[in-house]
Amino acid sequence: QKEVEQDPGPLSVPEGAIVSLNCTYSNSAFQYFMWYRQYSRKGPELLMYTYSSGNKEDGRFTAQVDKSSKYISLFIRDSQPSDSATYLCAMSESSGTYKYIFGTGTRLKVLA
Amino acid sequence: GAVVSQHPSRVICKSGTSVKIECRSLDFQATTMFWYRQFPKQSLMLMATSNEGSKATYEQGVEKDKFLINHASLTLSTLTVTSAHPEDSSFYICSAIRPGQNEQYFGPGTRLTVT
Repeated sequence: QKEVEQDPGPLSVPEGAIVSLNCTYSNSAFQYFMWYRQYSRKGPELLMYTYSSGNKEDGRFTAQVDKSSKYISLFIRDSQPSDSATYLCAMSESSGTYKYIFGTGTRLKVLA
Repeated sequence: GAVVSQHPSRVICKSGTSVKIECRSLDFQATTMFWYRQFPKQSLMLMATSNEGSKATYEQGVEKDKFLINHASLTLSTLTVTSAHPEDSSFYICSAIRPGQNEQYFGPGTRLTVT
């Protein structure tokens, strides 16, 4: 079993839809949870960074962490064609151990 | 925001030659940088952790003699792929951590093709 599981997609949605992206993990020591967006042949861009359980909102993006279920989500409201990209979740055990474990990424297509 | 650059963005080399990839943090000093490799439709795999002024820490299965890492200054880390072979063709991405923060900021990546 991989430490971090993420559905690779592709996930196709119409413009304006609410998108839900998810990752599950097995390591209960993970405390820091990140979401990155990666366009084709580009480096990942940090979208959200959260610590422990709870919600965090930034514009159209909301990140949720449920440590009891070992489950994290990223919601995108009012999705746009420009949101079409691969979304990677990443996790780390502590701030002192910067090693990130990445999911495989979910490819999202927002159709105009 | 933080900016990390990589050079070159794309390189094609012949089998058996060596290739150097540079990673620079442009607006902050990074004591720690990371090197990842990403194959098509796969996730980022950490290769090594580069620490300024000391030896890099390699992940299991990564040959340290093949992937030479040098972090000679607080803004520059280099990855040299020695005696490259076609199976080394991949997307190589570096990241850096801004002091006082925990987030990794990634460079744009370098696409290496070995013929």
